[in-house]
Amino acid sequence: GEDVEQSLFLSVREGDSSVINCTYTDSSSTYLYWYKQEPGAGLQLLTYIFSNMDMKQDQRLTVLLNKKDKHLSLRIADTQTGDSAIYFCAESGTGTYKYIFGTGTRLKVLA
Amino acid sequence: SQTIHQWPATLVQPVGSPLSLECTVEGTSNPNLYWYRQAAGRGLQLLFYSVGIGQISSEVPQNLSASRPQDRQFILSSKKLLLSDSGFYLCAWSVQEFTGELFFGEGSRLTVL
Repeated sequence: GEDVEQSLFLSVREGDSSVINCTYTDSSSTYLYWYKQEPGAGLQLLTYIFSNMDMKQDQRLTVLLNKKDKHLSLRIADTQTGDSAIYFCAESGTGTYKYIFGTGTRLKVLA
Repeated sequence: SQTIHQWPATLVQPVGSPLSLECTVEGTSNPNLYWYRQAAGRGLQLLFYSVGIGQISSEVPQNLSASRPQDRQFILSSKKLLLSDSGFYLCAWSVQEFTGELFFGEGSRLTVL
């Protein structure tokens, strides 16, 4: 079945770049997403990428997709303390209503 | 604009008691609806999804059930809670035409003692 994996923790210093990685198994994935979860709250969509794209940039966020290796990454430039949260990678495929999420990566930004 | 409401926000229940979590969506019609559970270290687990009234797909066999009595109402239930049912439950919706984004409620934290 589908599976999405992420490392559990990442710690960076304020002002540095953060790179959060994700691997997925479903080769029929059409959309790949990054969601952010603040403490005690629901998830909010940060950005997404279509499977026919290699890269997408949105202000401080850069998403890279390596379809061959089924690897997705999220780079946050100039990381701020407000970026501290849990980041979830997710995928969905054409013809399915299911969104499969990873375990989430807890990003801690040190001042 | 569309909004999603989920309640109660916090719930403490004894083992063996029933459960009912409710979710409603406003400002849209015929949404896809989802229940996820978030447990420590296990990420977000899809429990149920629904593409229409009375249509429920179950992803994980367990003692939970879901119902969709109205177009924009999604209910998560249990007749007898287990300790392992503790977690953070999230309701979400997406448009039927599948533009890609899931919109989440604020979550319900369930503690079973």
